[in-house]
Amino acid sequence: EAQVTQNPRYLITVTGKKLTVTCSQNMNHEYMSWYRQDPGLGLRQIYYSMNVEVTDKGDVPEGYKVSRKEKRNFPLILESPSPNQTSLYFCASSPLTVSNQPQHFGDGTRLSIL
Amino acid sequence: GENVEQHPSTLSVQEGDSAVIKCTYSDSASNYFPWYKQELGKGPQLIIDIRSNVGEKKDQRIAVTLNKTAKHFSLHITETQPEDSAVYFCAAHYNFGNEKLTFGTGTRLTIIP
Repeated sequence: EAQVTQNPRYLITVTGKKLTVTCSQNMNHEYMSWYRQDPGLGLRQIYYSMNVEVTDKGDVPEGYKVSRKEKRNFPLILESPSPNQTSLYFCASSPLTVSNQPQHFGDGTRLSIL
Repeated sequence: GENVEQHPSTLSVQEGDSAVIKCTYSDSASNYFPWYKQELGKGPQLIIDIRSNVGEKKDQRIAVTLNKTAKHFSLHITETQPEDSAVYFCAAHYNFGNEKLTFGTGTRLTIIP
């Protein structure tokens, strides 16, 4: 089954404790992206990647890091999480290297930073 | 960069009636406008999209219209059903120098049986 898989689905942690949210897709997609969803703010793009070893900032990249060492994986790293990063996070992928095409989303990761 | 505004934030519609959600975008260079539906506990799922060279697109009960001059696009759902209840997001792709996708703030649609 074609899918985007995020782990963990839920995480409660404390300020400053490094964490990684993994994202994996099995569709051989070129483009991958991370979004955060907050009430009243919709979905905001954090980082995106057009291909292996190619990443770029979205609209809210501060406090996050990403890497794209393999085509299928695009982890989101919070090196020193803070409470304002409490949010619902989504990973997405699409077939080509551009974003003007349908994106397939994972089911989300809910992070709570205390 | 691009800015997308979406209205209304909440919408309640009697089952069988039509629902319309509107979005405006700021940059005339934007060229791709998708609509996503998000059900509870799930990620957004594409329901329809339109490109800047087309004025209208329809898929069964769902249609999207684009007015490039006014820089707005709308989602139309006819003959609404309870399963249409969800949060809907519009988005715009700004085709100049980056590959970002900018989303609206979402509309919670409730279909009243």
